[in-house]
Amino acid sequence: AQSVTQLDSQVPVFEEAPVELRCNYSSSVSVYLFWYVQYPNQGLQLLLKYLSGSTLVKGINGFEAEFNKSQTSFHLRKPSVHISDTAEYFCAVSDIAGGSYIPTFGRGTSLIVHP
Amino acid sequence: DSGVTQTPKHLITATGQRVTLRCSPRSGDLSVYWYQQSLDQGLQFLIQYYNGEERAKGNILERFSAQQFPDLHSELNLSSLELGDSALYFCASSEAIGQGGSGNTIYFGEGSWLTVV
Repeated sequence: AQSVTQLDSQVPVFEEAPVELRCNYSSSVSVYLFWYVQYPNQGLQLLLKYLSGSTLVKGINGFEAEFNKSQTSFHLRKPSVHISDTAEYFCAVSDIAGGSYIPTFGRGTSLIVHP
Repeated sequence: DSGVTQTPKHLITATGQRVTLRCSPRSGDLSVYWYQQSLDQGLQFLIQYYNGEERAKGNILERFSAQQFPDLHSELNLSSLELGDSALYFCASSEAIGQGGSGNTIYFGEGSWLTVV
């Protein structure tokens, strides 16, 4: 079974600074990768996904992530954050080889943007 | 708005009671998933249904059960509730399983907050 590690439980950053949220997953032949965002008192919203092709994936709200197969990582980045980006971010992995496609989620990273 | 609708949004009940959480998937989605989110366990997969049939089971307790009806809506039944069952329960849906290209992206509802007192 897949496991997902989000290395930072909390990331504080100042507005307009760049940010990287880290995600590593256990090794597998084929995976789909996702980042979701959860704003306070809301459900999870898909930010971006990697299925195949280019390892750099662009998502909504200026976020992007890079798939690194050799390091089994899928880190999320944004060059300049806004106060409104304050939220919980979840990395998720679907194991294609297993056939279930059910995403396994990391524990989440709380991004806190300070003015 | 993801298109996934969950009711009720909030629920407070006593230990030992039984509750039912309801989910309407996005239009056209055949697959429904239930997840439990708690502070200590994070986001845990409970169960998946596809077109009315149970497809996969995760960390779902025997006290919990679910079903998907012919109109594709789903219900999660939680019985003999304990304090530790207090959590946010998410329903999610996706188009299909094993279909190439879609990545089986799942879309989440806003959740049902369950508080057991």
